[in-house]
Amino acid sequence: GAGVSQSPSNKVTEKGKDVELRCDPISGHTALYWYRQSLGQGLEFLIYFQGNSAPDKSGLPSDRFSAERTGGSVSTLTIQRTQQEDSAVYLCASSFDRATYGYTFGSGTRLTVV
Amino acid sequence: QKEVEQNSGPLSVPEGAIASLNCTYSDRGSQSFFWYRQYSGKSPELIMSIYSNGDKEDGRFTAQLNKASQYVSLLIRDSQPSDSATYLCAVSMEYGNKLVFGAGTILRVKS
Repeated sequence: GAGVSQSPSNKVTEKGKDVELRCDPISGHTALYWYRQSLGQGLEFLIYFQGNSAPDKSGLPSDRFSAERTGGSVSTLTIQRTQQEDSAVYLCASSFDRATYGYTFGSGTRLTVV
Repeated sequence: QKEVEQNSGPLSVPEGAIASLNCTYSDRGSQSFFWYRQYSGKSPELIMSIYSNGDKEDGRFTAQLNKASQYVSLLIRDSQPSDSATYLCAVSMEYGNKLVFGAGTILRVKS
C-alpha cells in the first residue's frame, strides 16, 4: 500500500479483555516495528520483525503481550487480559532496510482500557 | 544515562526566528541519525536524516552531526507557527536494527 495502515484507529476495551491490533506495512518493506507512546511520553520500543521472524522482542512489557507477522506482511499485536496501564497509542512502522534509512509510521491505534 | 537525550522544552521562538534543537546520544557506534516531527495527536513524520559529520540542508531545515561529541542538532530557519510540534531525535542502535528515540522537544513558534 501507499502507507502503513493500522486498525482499528481507536479501541476502548474493558479491563481483563484481550485485544488485537493490526498493522499492514508498506509493500516491500521487510522490517516492521511496534512502538508504544503513552500520553505525554516518548516512544517505547516493543518488537522488531525482519520478515516473519522477530529477532528483537526485548521491549515487550510482559508475557501478556505477543506479536506475530505472517507472509512477511501483516502483523498483529495481541494484548491479553488488558490492564489500565496498557492504555496508550500503539504505533507500527516499517522500513525497507532495518533502521538504516529511518521508518515510516502508521497513524496508530489509540487503546483505552476502562 | 538515557541512550538519546533531548531537552523537553518547551522552546519558544518568535515567527521568523531560527529554532535550534539539540540531541545527544550514548552509542559511539551509531551510524544513522534522524529527526521526526510529531504534531499533537498525530504520528511521527520523518523530516531529516544525516549519516556523516557536518551539515545537511533541506529547505528551511539543517541537520548537524558531530560524532566525536555524540551530538546531533536541527536548525529551523524562518520558523513558522506551523512548525509548532514535538521534534523527536532518533538514532539507529543495535547494529542498525532499530531506532531509539529521545523524549522529544516541544517547539512553539509565536506569531
